[in-house]
Amino acid sequence: GAVVSQHPSWVICKSGTSVKIECRSLDFQATTMFWYRQFPKQSLMLMATSNEGSKATYEQGVEKDKFLINHASLTLSTLTVTSAHPEDSSFYICSAGAGARNIQYFGAGTRLSVL
Amino acid sequence: RKEVEQDPGPFNVPEGATVAFNCTYSNSASQSFFWYRQDCRKEPKLLMSVYSSGNEDGRFTAQLNRASQYISLLIRDSKLSDSATYLCVVNMPGTALIFGKGTTLSVSS
Repeated sequence: GAVVSQHPSWVICKSGTSVKIECRSLDFQATTMFWYRQFPKQSLMLMATSNEGSKATYEQGVEKDKFLINHASLTLSTLTVTSAHPEDSSFYICSAGAGARNIQYFGAGTRLSVL
Repeated sequence: RKEVEQDPGPFNVPEGATVAFNCTYSNSASQSFFWYRQDCRKEPKLLMSVYSSGNEDGRFTAQLNRASQYISLLIRDSKLSDSATYLCVVNMPGTALIFGKGTTLSVSS
């Protein structure tokens, strides 16, 4: 299957720090990538849809100024959690679609812990 | 009504057992259906797509009933390594996947 690389896999930071997470499609191009967040024992919740060359589309309740998304190329989308707070601690996962059925492949996820 | 509903379980079964998971979805316009598997603290991984005619992959059988908006996954001859959370996922073209909360399976020896 297609490969999606996500980096870093684990971040521990102080409150007020900004954290950047990268999502790369390694062997295919993705005009659209998706960013999800998962709290413990909860389902994945879509945060935003990242569109190459245009502004991201955010889900209701997700602050676009707090979660900055940049999709500058067909293989890279970044999510920046600005001024992170403890309540932002979560598992952040990106996905990109490949193939005729647009099957979604996930990055390995980034576990963010804000102290 | 939630978009994708699953029984959270947990399903605790012995090795070799057959277990079935069910899922219902609310949006009749959904066009693609999948089962993903998620291990603890890991990302979801595609287990199998679900086709209208039903499909089988080894010990796993998936079925779709569009009229009832119902999807199922059957696992035969359960292995210890099948222990995970199984996510029912629906999709419309060009949109993000919509996940159920998952059904937890624990297979014991």
